[in-house]
Amino acid sequence: GENVEQHPSTLSVQEGDSAVIKCTYSDSASNYFPWYKQELGKRPQLIIDIRSNVGEKKDQRIAVTLNKTAKHFSLHITETQPEDSAVYFCAASGSGGYQKVTFGTGTKLQVIP
Amino acid sequence: EPEVTQTPSHQVTQMGQEVILRCVPISNHLYFYWYRQILGQKVEFLVSFYNNEISEKSEIFDDQFSVERPDGSNFTLKIRSTKLEDSAMYFCASSERSGRYEQYFGPGTRLTVT
Repeated sequence: GENVEQHPSTLSVQEGDSAVIKCTYSDSASNYFPWYKQELGKRPQLIIDIRSNVGEKKDQRIAVTLNKTAKHFSLHITETQPEDSAVYFCAASGSGGYQKVTFGTGTKLQVIP
Repeated sequence: EPEVTQTPSHQVTQMGQEVILRCVPISNHLYFYWYRQILGQKVEFLVSFYNNEISEKSEIFDDQFSVERPDGSNFTLKIRSTKLEDSAMYFCASSERSGRYEQYFGPGTRLTVT
């Protein structure tokens, strides 16, 4: 089955700096890669996703890149703000509407004001 | 904006007891899922459900677990005989028809087994 590795496990950045979280996946059939933000005690919330026919996607301060050959994908947050502090999970999923999402181990991001 | 809802928010039960966790998916969604998250760990897939049957399940989802869609709105997860290691946050999620991949998560039910 799919295995998603994520690093770093913790990341501290100064407010205004950029943060980068990297993930690798094992199943070449995976073609959908969502990123979730989870605040303490809350539900995972989708912040951005990318499909395998796209190499990069950007939404305001957040961007994701995907390298299908290397099975790598990354999340980039620019101009970080204290409210970006949370746990971020990368994930991978196969085709079809009912495929399970396999989560990475999470990155705890702390943005220091 | 429509949201997935779950009840109860917190359930405390004794080891060996049965629990039923309830979810109301987004109304036009047809695919339903249960995940669990042990405190401080990653979110783990349990089961997916479509067209009134299980479409996929993980090794965690053993004979002690079952899912049901008893009516047109609810989706339930039953644990027949709870163990201490079942203590976790359980998230329900739903997604639209095939072609859209986003899964929307509910707020979770924290299950504590004592």
